[in-house]
Amino acid sequence: EPEVTQTPSHQVTQMGQEVILRCVPISNHLYFYWYRQILGQKVEFLVSFYNNEISEKSEIFDDQFSVERPDGSNFTLKIRSTKLEDSAMYFCASSEGQAYRFRTARNQPQHFGDGTRLSIL
Amino acid sequence: AQKVTQAQTEISVVEKEDVTLDCVYETRDTTYYLFWYKQPPSGELVFLIRRNSFDEQNEISGRYSWNFQKSTSSFNFTITASQVVDSAVYFCALSEAQIDAGNMLTFGGGTRLMVKP
Repeated sequence: EPEVTQTPSHQVTQMGQEVILRCVPISNHLYFYWYRQILGQKVEFLVSFYNNEISEKSEIFDDQFSVERPDGSNFTLKIRSTKLEDSAMYFCASSEGQAYRFRTARNQPQHFGDGTRLSIL
Repeated sequence: AQKVTQAQTEISVVEKEDVTLDCVYETRDTTYYLFWYKQPPSGELVFLIRRNSFDEQNEISGRYSWNFQKSTSSFNFTITASQVVDSAVYFCALSEAQIDAGNMLTFGGGTRLMVKP
């Protein structure tokens, strides 16, 4: 079964450095997402991406963050000037295109990667 | 704004017991989707089920069953004859169903289920 893959599985970075988290979504999926889970807490939405642009972002996703789909397969999350509080598990997810019925979207399930644990020292 | 509440932070049961995980949600949308995800100790998020707001039929999949009640804004998850391998954190999540919306998932705080042998 196709799956979302994320690299690296664990990233250790000095505070203030930039970090890039990488994701390869499922190949026929059109919607891509990043979520964050601080240790022991709930999963929080960061950003969604469709048709080469951000479709929605949360308050967490400020100017420190950016996303990119540099080629046909990778989807990256860049965090600039990392802070201690950026330490978390970062999940990438992807879903198929929406189907429409009665002018609403039929949301396909989001399939998650195994996550990248980011540790800021 | 959307909100998902899982009031049970931790549940401990003995193997073969039945257990129900509660989920209550809030949304202003009339059309929305509800999900359950499992997060085993290894940390990944595993999709379990999706339910849309038009469909209030209960669903059963093996030992898993889901009870969606729109009148009480609840989407509860029952595991019958629990097994040690069911030990995990379970998340309930909600998303809107608007065209061109980002389809962001709003997660509840999760319920840690511990099944003891």
